Amino acid sequence: QKEVEQDPGPLSVPEGAIVSLNCTYSNSAFQYFMWYRQYSRKGPELLMYTYSSGNKEDGRFTAQVDKSSKYISLFIRDSQPSDSATYLCAMKYASGGSYIPTFGRGTSLIVHP
Amino acid sequence: NAGVTQTPKFRVLKTGQSMTLLCAQDMNHEYMYWYRQDPGMGLRLIHYSVGEGTTAKGEVPDGYNVSRLKKQNFLLGLESAAPSQTSVYFCASRTSGGQETQYFGPGTRLLVL
Repeated sequence: QKEVEQDPGPLSVPEGAIVSLNCTYSNSAFQYFMWYRQYSRKGPELLMYTYSSGNKEDGRFTAQVDKSSKYISLFIRDSQPSDSATYLCAMKYASGGSYIPTFGRGTSLIVHP
Repeated sequence: NAGVTQTPKFRVLKTGQSMTLLCAQDMNHEYMYWYRQDPGMGLRLIHYSVGEGTTAKGEVPDGYNVSRLKKQNFLLGLESAAPSQTSVYFCASRTSGGQETQYFGPGTRLLVL
């Protein structure tokens, strides 16, 4: 079993829908949680970065961490066709030094007009 | 400020040939990484470096070598390419301190016949 599990999709939604993307993990030591967005034939780019539990909001995006359930989510409100991409979750258990994030496999999102 | 650049963008090799992928960053980052991304597998770390002159193995290092002779450059070498090394290769560099955001390059698509 991988440390980080993520459904690869694809997830297809109509424009304007609320999208929920999720990852589960097994290592309770993870403290830092990230979401990356990757457009087709491009490198991943950081979308959201959170520490420990709770919510973080940035425009139409909300990242949620539930450490008790070892579950993280990314919500996209009023989804747009330009949100069509692969979303990768990542997490790490410490800050500083050479700590390497562990990535999920990514979920492909398609927002159709 | 170009960020992270990768050379070449695309390459076709025959089994047994060698090649070097070049990653360059102009952000003065200490940490640099090489990942490979395969369908359904997500990002897997090949090697990484925590500073000029240092390298370390990641999750899938076999068949690859790296060098970090200059802070801004991180080279990934394939001594004898195999079809299993057909993949998209991403380089990343990151800040130290703060969010320690990883910045990814645009990727190199490698096909080994």
